[in-house]
Amino acid sequence: QVHLVQSGAEVKKPGASVKVSCETSGYTFTSYHITWVRQAPGQGLEWMGRISGYNGNTDYAQGLQGRITMTTDKSTSTAFMELKSLRSDDTAVYYCVRDSNYYDPREFWGQGTLVTVSS
Amino acid sequence: QSALTQPASVSGSPGQSITLSCTGSTSNVGSYNLVSWYQQHPGKAPKLMIYEATKRPPGISDRFSGSKSGNTASLTISGLQPEDEADYYCCSYAGGSTYVFGTGTVVSVL
Repeated sequence: QVHLVQSGAEVKKPGASVKVSCETSGYTFTSYHITWVRQAPGQGLEWMGRISGYNGNTDYAQGLQGRITMTTDKSTSTAFMELKSLRSDDTAVYYCVRDSNYYDPREFWGQGTLVTVSS
Repeated sequence: QSALTQPASVSGSPGQSITLSCTGSTSNVGSYNLVSWYQQHPGKAPKLMIYEATKRPPGISDRFSGSKSGNTASLTISGLQPEDEADYYCCSYAGGSTYVFGTGTVVSVL
């Protein structure tokens, strides 16, 4: 079965950085993109960006450009999302998502990681 | 990219059909069939219900159907059941390898 297991909750101060991991299993990591989505408390979903599991190519939401970096480690089938210069409005649950592809329309979501930014 | 516009809430009685709308623009919904719909129960991760505007992933009930006309996509839930009570989000490709979500709709089963 496909599983995405994310790292644990984080509490950060404004201006700091956070790096969330997403360990995947049960599928060929290099055949799919990983997308990152966040959800502020009581708010809607926000698309943050995605990374190719094949070659590491990234696409980021315009509003996060310059603060976000997505990477992968193919040896451990793990994706990472780093967000810098944190602000209070970055407080959210961060999800990683194994995207669908031409051959497999299913998506799989991680359990979510709560990142709290507070002084 | 601004969020796609969804009604804040929609309600219906068990067994009824309801339709949720998702309005974008020619920059997103109107130009691509890459519209997805997600169901999210409280405290849970979202679940893909519809992809490419009209297609259902394996395991999704045929009570859920999607359509698109112009800049507006729609999700219809037929035979409404108590477990359908959840938040629903649309998501569209927005060009430039980016995507945008809708504002979300709370579905209540009366």
